[in-house]
Amino acid sequence: GQQVMQIPQYQHVQEGEDFTTYCNSSTTLSNIQWYKQRPGGHPVFLIQLVKSGEVKKQKRLTFQFGEAKKNSSLHITATQTTDVGTYFCAGPVLTGGGNKLTFGTGTQLKVEL
Amino acid sequence: NAGVTQTPKFRVLKTGQSMTLLCAQDMNHEYMYWYRQDPGMGLRLIHYSVGEGTTAKGEVPDGYNVSRLKKQNFLLGLESAAPSQTSVYFCASTSSAPSYEQYFGPGTRLTVT
Repeated sequence: GQQVMQIPQYQHVQEGEDFTTYCNSSTTLSNIQWYKQRPGGHPVFLIQLVKSGEVKKQKRLTFQFGEAKKNSSLHITATQTTDVGTYFCAGPVLTGGGNKLTFGTGTQLKVEL
Repeated sequence: NAGVTQTPKFRVLKTGQSMTLLCAQDMNHEYMYWYRQDPGMGLRLIHYSVGEGTTAKGEVPDGYNVSRLKKQNFLLGLESAAPSQTSVYFCASTSSAPSYEQYFGPGTRLTVT
């Protein structure tokens, strides 16, 4: 079945270091979404990428969608303690309608002072 | 707007007991979802609904039932709880427009002993 994998599973960085998480799908995606979940919180939508090769920026966060639309990445420049949390990518489920999403396994980011 | 709300926030059940989790949204969304989140496994879809009076199975539906009698509410039932159902449960909703972001509730942390 359709699978979305993320690496790494965990990442510890010093504040000010950069961070990247990678998302790989077993199938071609029409779009990809990214969510952030703070510790003890719920997932919150960050962004959606639709076009092949698309790059979008949100302040220190840079999102990329691969040319083949099967992979994506999130890069954070100069991490801050406010970046702590788990980052999930999600792709639409191909069958059955209902705007269903398949979520990646997530990358948990810890930022140390 | 409250967005998506869930009750209760926490619950401890004994094996074999039953309970119902309530999700409510005030965004007039057509689609609603129930997920469970377990460490290292991301979010897995239990059941979903594309409109009032309709429900469908997701990835991990066994042991759960759902009902959507009103558009704004989506109920998740556990008829006979098992320790394997210890998890954090999230409800989400979204518009019926294609590829729309999902809005999540704060979650219910369930422990089955």
